[in-house]
Amino acid sequence: EPEVTQTPSHQVTQMGQEVILRCVPISNHLYFYWYRQILGQKVEFLVSFYNNEISEKSEIFDDQFSVERPDGSNFTLKIRSTKLEDSAMYFCASSENRDYGYTFGSGTRLTVV
Amino acid sequence: GDSVTQMEGPVTLSEEAFLTINCTYTATGYPSLFWYVQYPGEGLQLLLKATKADDKGSNKGFEATYRKETTSFHLEKGSVQVSDSAVYFCALPQNMYSGGGADGLTFGKGTHLIIQP
Repeated sequence: EPEVTQTPSHQVTQMGQEVILRCVPISNHLYFYWYRQILGQKVEFLVSFYNNEISEKSEIFDDQFSVERPDGSNFTLKIRSTKLEDSAMYFCASSENRDYGYTFGSGTRLTVV
Repeated sequence: GDSVTQMEGPVTLSEEAFLTINCTYTATGYPSLFWYVQYPGEGLQLLLKATKADDKGSNKGFEATYRKETTSFHLEKGSVQVSDSAVYFCALPQNMYSGGGADGLTFGKGTHLIIQP
């Protein structure tokens, strides 16, 4: 069964550093998403991406965040200057059609120290 | 905006017990509804879905029926196993007309299910 692949599975970074989280969506999917889940809390929508541009973004997705699809297969989330409160599990997802459901990756656990 | 309300957890049951996890939603129109499951240390997996009113989604012995009269999508399983221990999330697509964004999912807070042998 096709999978969404995320790397790395775990990243530790110092506050103020830039991080890039990587995702390889399912190849025939057209919609791409990033979500985050702070430990013990609900899963929160960050951003959606379609046709090489951001479709929607939440209040969480401020100027410190950016997304890119650099080469037609990878989909990245960059946090420019990490803060302690950015520590969370970050999930990438892709979808062929949102009514069909979304396939999520296994997540990247980001720890900011 | 659209929202999802799930029963609070943790829910602790014995093996082979009957399971119900309640989910109610607030939405404009009749969106698709989803249940996702998160096993310990893993990502989110789509468990089942229903795309219109009165549809029943089913998978791995779990079922949920889309009830527009009660705006509910309760998850049920007749006989749970220890391996069903996980966090279960009810979700619906964000409503493009409510200002909450045209894409992405709105999740409930999740219900932690613990099955004891």
